[in-house]
Parts: sequence; C-alpha cells; structure tokens
Amino acid sequence: GENVEQHPSTLSVQEGDSAVIKCTYSDSASNYFPWYKQELGKRPQLIIDIRSNVGEKKDQRIAVTLNKTAKHFSLHITETQPEDSAVYFCAAAPYNNNDMRFGAGTRLTVKP
Amino acid sequence: NAGVTQTPKFQVLKTGQSMTLQCAQDMNHNSMYWYRQDPGMGLRLIYYSASEGTTDKGEVPNGYNVSRLNKREFSLRLESAAPSQTSVYFCASSSLAGAVNEQFFGPGTRLTVL
Repeated sequence: GENVEQHPSTLSVQEGDSAVIKCTYSDSASNYFPWYKQELGKRPQLIIDIRSNVGEKKDQRIAVTLNKTAKHFSLHITETQPEDSAVYFCAAAPYNNNDMRFGAGTRLTVKP
Repeated sequence: NAGVTQTPKFQVLKTGQSMTLQCAQDMNHNSMYWYRQDPGMGLRLIYYSASEGTTDKGEVPNGYNVSRLNKREFSLRLESAAPSQTSVYFCASSSLAGAVNEQFFGPGTRLTVL
C-alpha cells in the first residue's frame, strides 16, 4: 500500500518568515494530495489540495508544489503568523480509491 | 447544518468491554471513513465506506468492525477493547464516490482502554 513520509516533524520559525514542509509518497498511482491543519484539540481541516495534473497551486499565503517524477510534494507558507501554529498533515490517495494515507505530521510553531 | 457529528466525545473502557462509536453527516456525502490518531503517527485509516451498502478495510482494521447503517450514519464497533486501542477516533465524510475529494472530519472521540 501507499507510504507517505513527512519532514520535518517539528519546525519553528519567526513571525514573517516562510515555512516549508515536505512529503514523499511511494505509490505512483496516487494522484490526489491534500494538506490538513490541526489545531490543538481540534479536528483536521483541509487548507489546500493538489491533483496530479497540476504542478503548483496557490491560495493567498499558502502554496503546494508537486513533483510526480520524484514522488514528492511540499507545502509553503509565506509571511507566517502566530495563528499558523498547528500540526500540518500531508496525505496521498489514488484516483477512485478512498484509501487515503497520511504523513505523521509536522508541528509548526511561529514565534511572535 | 451540523456537518459531521460523533458520539460520545470521551469514553473510558476496561479491557474486554465492547462499545460502538457513532458518526453521522448531514452533507449528503457518499463516502465515510473512520481514522485513529495516535501521537507521532498521524491519522491511520481503519475502515471506509465508499457508498451506502459497501465497506472496505483500511490500513489498521484488526479489532474493529463497521456498519454503514444508511447514507448518513457510519458506526465503528470495538468488540473486545484492548489497551492498544487507546486513541482519538475521527470520523470523516466526502462527497463523491467516483473520485477523491476533500474529507470533512468530525470532532473526534477520545477513547481510553484500561
């Protein structure tokens, strides 16, 4: 089955700096790659997703890039704010298959 | 529109006891999922139901059973709880059976097995 690895496990940045979280996946059939944000004690919520026919997607301060050849994708957060502090999870799923696999998570801390 | 709801919020069981976690969604979604979340391990899929009347095993199905009662409801049953099943359990749903789309999560159930 699919295996998703996520790095780093923890990340600390100063407010205003950029943060980058990277994930690799193993199954070449995967073609849907979402990113979820989970605040302490809360449920995971989707922040951005990308499909395999697109190399990059942006939404305000958040962007995701995908390299299908190398089987890796990354989350980029620019101009970080303290409210960006949370655990971020990447995931991968093949088309027409609900068996989504998540990375282990990255705890992002933004210091004011 | 409540989204995805789960009951109970918290539960403490003794080893060997059984219980059922309930999940319901009011978004008319076809697909529903059960995950467990353990520290440092992310979310792991236990079972999913792509559509009403179907269920499939995920990554960690052992020790669990599920029932897709109708389109709205998807329950998870622990027949004989073990301490290794201490975890936070999340239910989720998504809209299309034929393609993967955003999953909406419930608030979670924190389960402790003594």
